[in-house]
Amino acid sequence: AQTVTQSQPEMSVQEAETVTLSCTYDTSESDYYLFWYKQPPSRQMILVIRQEAYKQQNATENRFSVNFQKAAKSFSLKISDSQLGDAAMYFCASSNDYKLSFGAGTTVTVRA
Amino acid sequence: NAGVTQTPKFRVLKTGQSMTLLCAQDMNHEYMYWYRQDPGMGLRLIHYSVGEGTTAKGEVPDGYNVSRLKKQNFLLGLESAAPSQTSVYFCASSPDRINFYGYTFGSGTRLTVV
Repeated sequence: AQTVTQSQPEMSVQEAETVTLSCTYDTSESDYYLFWYKQPPSRQMILVIRQEAYKQQNATENRFSVNFQKAAKSFSLKISDSQLGDAAMYFCASSNDYKLSFGAGTTVTVRA
Repeated sequence: NAGVTQTPKFRVLKTGQSMTLLCAQDMNHEYMYWYRQDPGMGLRLIHYSVGEGTTAKGEVPDGYNVSRLKKQNFLLGLESAAPSQTSVYFCASSPDRINFYGYTFGSGTRLTVV
């Protein structure tokens, strides 16, 4: 089974500041995808960002960006200019063929 | 645009009771999945389906059964509920493997077994 590790159970950030969430993964696949999902208190799973492993360029979606280090199997998420609405649990996930394996999640708290 | 719909949203069961969770998608997706979410453990795959009439075991299949008689529906059954099955259950779907864009998720079912 694939393993996805998020080593930070909780992170706190001041509004307008930047926070980085860590994720490492273990895969034997040569072609795979990586994702970050956001889960606010509503429980809905929301796709934040997607990275194709064969693309070296780091994905960016507005204030969200990733640092993808393929050799190190590392996939961190940076949230810039943090907003109160960013408060949520964030899950890192990696694909194995057409299935996703998820990390344990990181809870992000935003301080006003 | 309904996407993925799960019913019910909440349920309380007594130990030993049975129930079925229904997942319906209106996007003509081939692949469907059932996950459970527990604190500190993320989402773990229970069962999945790669097309109508197919099912396969995931990481934590014990105590659950599934069926996919119609492409749009994926049912998760608990034959004899146990307190260890208290969890939040998510259904998800995806169109295919090519250019994998991840899942479309349902809104989850909170199940409590007492």
